[in-house]
Amino acid sequence: GESVGLHLPTLSVQEGDNSIINCAYSNSASDYFIWYKQESGKGPQFIIDIRSNMDKRQGQRVTVLLNKTVKHLSLQIAATQPGDSAVYFCAENRIGNQFYFGTGTSLTVIP
Amino acid sequence: NAGVMQNPRHLVRRRGQEARLRCSPMKGHSHVYWYRQLPEEGLKFMVYLQKENIIDESGMPKERFSAEFPKEGPSILRIQQVVRGDSAAYFCASSPSGGRDEKLFFGSGTQLSVL
Repeated sequence: GESVGLHLPTLSVQEGDNSIINCAYSNSASDYFIWYKQESGKGPQFIIDIRSNMDKRQGQRVTVLLNKTVKHLSLQIAATQPGDSAVYFCAENRIGNQFYFGTGTSLTVIP
Repeated sequence: NAGVMQNPRHLVRRRGQEARLRCSPMKGHSHVYWYRQLPEEGLKFMVYLQKENIIDESGMPKERFSAEFPKEGPSILRIQQVVRGDSAAYFCASSPSGGRDEKLFFGSGTQLSVL
């Protein structure tokens, strides 16, 4: 399954499928990006980060892709599990060390 | 190794009262950030502090809101004369030294409800 950011704030995928969550950022000067996962009633939890001198970074079951030309970020989750159900936010680090968060995408994993 | 600690988890106030939200950063972290989150929305930056110093308060409302991070003790976000529109989840995050490529670690938040 795949989201397109603000126009599709929810994403439902079958357990075991891959998920792709998209994020468009606005500031071309942003040089550091983080994906956070937020479960209901909890604070955001770090998933993976990427600096602007990279276009891809892989973690455990997650991959972040950065396209600076179109200012687009994506999070790919392999073999999505029920525990992956949460809201996912991308955050960009602009000038002055402020992290600006996107609206978020709610991921629901169907067993 | 304790993470970012926020208290209280839930705070109920009547209109006109004061709300004080506390945040203790991770051990070894000297930079604190406060964010506000409304239901179904992302986190909005409010203020960024270093011990005894406000670095950036560009996201703070001009009136009724203040923040401090004293030399000793937790960071405090203070909201005076609360109104219903202040009801939200308030999250604190910390980082080691405020470097541009440092990730933020978040607490569990304080849910403020204004009656």
